[in-house]
Amino acid sequence: DAGVTQSPTHLIKTRGQQVTLRCSPKSGHDTVSWYQQALGQGPQFIFQYYEEEERQRGNFPDRFSGHQFPNYSSELNVNALLLGDSALYLCASSLLMGSGEQYFGPGTRLTVT
Amino acid sequence: DAKTTQPPSMDCAEGRAANLPCNHSTISGNEYVYWYRQIHSQGPQYIIHGLKNNETNEMASLIITEDRKSSTLILPHATLRDTAVYYCIAHLSNTGNQFYFGTGTSLTVIP
Repeated sequence: DAGVTQSPTHLIKTRGQQVTLRCSPKSGHDTVSWYQQALGQGPQFIFQYYEEEERQRGNFPDRFSGHQFPNYSSELNVNALLLGDSALYLCASSLLMGSGEQYFGPGTRLTVT
Repeated sequence: DAKTTQPPSMDCAEGRAANLPCNHSTISGNEYVYWYRQIHSQGPQYIIHGLKNNETNEMASLIITEDRKSSTLILPHATLRDTAVYYCIAHLSNTGNQFYFGTGTSLTVIP
């Protein structure tokens, strides 16, 4: 059983560009959450998708958007990249009405130059 | 979700028990205590969670005080591979809500 997978592993972009990160949840999971983790900090919640809709959102600007597909996979899009967007982006999958455990992917390391 | 407080860093000798404390004095009655760890630059890994009773699995034990205001994660025989940042999170289960991570405890296991 494959766990949560994310692509790409690493990415380098220039300020002002746009980026799309992808996530496939653990088999059987219906909910995908995205987190941003800056160096030396704990992960910060960006948003959560369930039934192809954004269910909850953290304190992030609308430059950050997402999508969930019928197969439960998800994308995170960031527009007009800033240097401060450089971080590890983590995807976590779970069952909405499960025990609360979230399973995290390995993350995508985004560097904005 | 209730805020949690953890020491920023701890050391533990290899083979000894590692006891990681967490304070969650404002936890509500139906919030669970979850523990995750993150090995350098990897995604966080679930360890254990509990509500009131002490819990044990193949990775660790979780001791929650009777008033639920604090808890301790115990790694019974720490190995070098247990070196990681450990996060304690208070969370309402069955809500699908997001986790609020703090800065965690950086545990270093010393040979």
